[in-house]
Amino acid sequence: QQQVKQSPQSLIVQKGGISIINCAYENTAFDYFPWYQQFPGKGPALLIAIRPDVSEKKEGRFTISFNKSAKQFSLHIMDSQPGDSATYFCAARTSGTYKYIFGTGTRLKVLA
Amino acid sequence: KAGVTQTPRYLIKTRGQQVTLSCSPISGHRSVSWYQQTPGQGLQFLFEYFSETQRNKGNFPGRFSGRQFSNSRSEMNVSTLELGDSALYLCASSLTDDYGYTFGSGTRLTVV
Repeated sequence: QQQVKQSPQSLIVQKGGISIINCAYENTAFDYFPWYQQFPGKGPALLIAIRPDVSEKKEGRFTISFNKSAKQFSLHIMDSQPGDSATYFCAARTSGTYKYIFGTGTRLKVLA
Repeated sequence: KAGVTQTPRYLIKTRGQQVTLSCSPISGHRSVSWYQQTPGQGLQFLFEYFSETQRNKGNFPGRFSGRQFSNSRSEMNVSTLELGDSALYLCASSLTDDYGYTFGSGTRLTVV
């Protein structure tokens, strides 16, 4: 079944803390796993992405951890800032296509 | 560098009418995809076009259609609008398989 399950639905973190968002999938025909950040009134913006042959990717304060055997991947936001308050979506791309399945989103609020 | 441009930003239509939304991708991007975003269903894939050909299609009724022009600009059309079509319609373009999407800010369609 082509589905990506994302949790939690909402998350409140103190400034300077670590925000962790998890996603799980079932379809093994996914070949690219991006994370998007969306602010109100804007379209989603690509944050960071990983391919299944890599277990971890880090860009600044953002890290993706990927567990191929468990079919899970997660986004870690280190030293979370109020400016990180947004909705985050994980996604998975069907191999050989530009078709993405998106998670349901996590609304992150970072308290100052 | 200009981003993905969607017009109009807001639209109010009456049930039963039809609507056309426009998208201009980033220069050089030949793949254009459309998504519907609603609070209940999240981001759902509508279709993807590459070099004027529809390559992928989501699970939406035939009332939803699209096309791409030779300059990569794309339009999507929804006929016989229903109240449930009220949503944010997002266009995204991509350069190649190695990159994720760049989304536009969307067209907010309200059907009354």
